[in-house]
Amino acid sequence: DGGITQSPKYLFRKEGQNVTLSCEQNLNHDAMYWYRQDPGQGLRLIYYSQIVNDFQKGDIAEGYSVSREKKESFPLTVTSAQKNPTAFYLCASSDRAYNQPQHFGDGTRLSIL
Amino acid sequence: ILNVEQSPQSLHVQEGDSTNFTCSFPSSNFYALHWYRWETAKSPEALFVMTLNGDEKKKGRISATLNTKEGYSYLYIKGSQPEDSATYLCASPNAGNMLTFGGGTRLMVKP
Repeated sequence: DGGITQSPKYLFRKEGQNVTLSCEQNLNHDAMYWYRQDPGQGLRLIYYSQIVNDFQKGDIAEGYSVSREKKESFPLTVTSAQKNPTAFYLCASSDRAYNQPQHFGDGTRLSIL
Repeated sequence: ILNVEQSPQSLHVQEGDSTNFTCSFPSSNFYALHWYRWETAKSPEALFVMTLNGDEKKKGRISATLNTKEGYSYLYIKGSQPEDSATYLCASPNAGNMLTFGGGTRLMVKP
C-alpha cells in the first residue's frame, strides 16, 4: 500500500541527547514536511523539502535539523538545543503545487525522561 | 506567517444534527484552502482543497464553501454521525504548498 511511515511511534529522550525521527514515503511525492503539535495548539511547520538535497526552515526550525538525501526519506533530528522537545511530530508529503493535498504519517510522540 | 483561525474550538452535537464551522484566512495572496479531518489515533486525512472564489465541494454528508474575497470557508456536516467525531483542520498554503494551519475544531457527536 502507498503511504507514509513514521517510526518509532513513541520515543523517549534524555536531557542533552539528540534523537532522530524517521519518515519514509512511497507515494513518489517531491515535497515532504515536518510538523509539530503541542497540546491545545494547531500544527506548526518545522522544516520542509521541495526536492532531494534541498530543504527550508519553517516557522519553528530552531533546535531541529533535517536531511533529504533520497526522495523517499526525510528524517528529523531533534537536537539538544531544542529546549522543549516534548510534543507530537507529524510527517507529510505531497506533490509540490499548492492545490495538492498533503498525506500524513501516524506521528511520533517524543517525551523527555 | 499567515494567520488562519477556526471557530469554534470545540462543538458537541447530537447524532442527526447538522452542524457547521468556520475557517478564516488572509484574503490577500490567496492560493488555496485545505480541509483535513483528524480522527483520534489516526493520521490527518484530506477532505477538500479549494482554490476558486465561490467554490463548493461535497463528499458524502460533508460539504465546504469558499469565499476568497472576504477570507472565510465553511465546513458543513449534514446529519452528524458518531463516526464524524474528529478534529477538523483548515490550512492555507503559500505558492510552495507550505501550509499554515488553524487551531482546529474538535467535533464530538453523541449517539
